[in-house]
Amino acid sequence: GAGVSQSPSNKVTEKGKDVELRCDPISGHTALYWYRQRLGQGLEFLIYFQGNSAPDKSGLPSDRFSAERTGESVSTLTIQRTQQEDSAVYLCASSQRTTYEQYFGPGTRLTVT
Amino acid sequence: AQSVTQPDIHITVSEGASLELRCNYSYGATPYLFWYVQSPGQGLQLLLKYFSGDTLVQGIKGFEAEFKRSQSSFNLRKPSVHWSDAAEYFCAVGAQGAQKLVFGQGTRLTINP
Repeated sequence: GAGVSQSPSNKVTEKGKDVELRCDPISGHTALYWYRQRLGQGLEFLIYFQGNSAPDKSGLPSDRFSAERTGESVSTLTIQRTQQEDSAVYLCASSQRTTYEQYFGPGTRLTVT
Repeated sequence: AQSVTQPDIHITVSEGASLELRCNYSYGATPYLFWYVQSPGQGLQLLLKYFSGDTLVQGIKGFEAEFKRSQSSFNLRKPSVHWSDAAEYFCAVGAQGAQKLVFGQGTRLTINP
């Protein structure tokens, strides 16, 4: 079946612009996660959605970052007024409620110039 | 709070040689432990996981890992590496009841022919 998909695969934007990143989870997966991976580093947790529960936003680095998810479908991560330090690969993952196995998408490489 | 340490940033082994990648975690209770592999330009793929039970777990691609509670370790092993194993390897820990994963910084594996 289809895996987690993300779009765009690459995004180059100017400092100060807003960007929207999209994630399509695996069908039937109720949990969805966003992570950030800076060059040469591990993954940093950003935000977690589980069904209709309030999201866990504890990893969002600033109020310029926000994410939405409608039900158990698509999620968008929005970064407002982008800064150069936002340059990274943004990874999305999904999982079933009953397991902790997260399936990752290919990521969106964001470059802020 | 949970944390994961992968002491080796970069390891080089010869093709056919054995491999051990180290992972140490910090968590007060029994953690959920994972190893993921990230090939260049690709998303993360789950190699194996430990939740409970037998402390030696088998994964895909011939990998195995052993959970040692006394050492707070979950080292990844493979008896004989192949050139296609060259990639970045990430250890991750999840806490019971908290689905977000905490990742180590990763170990980059290079295979010499």
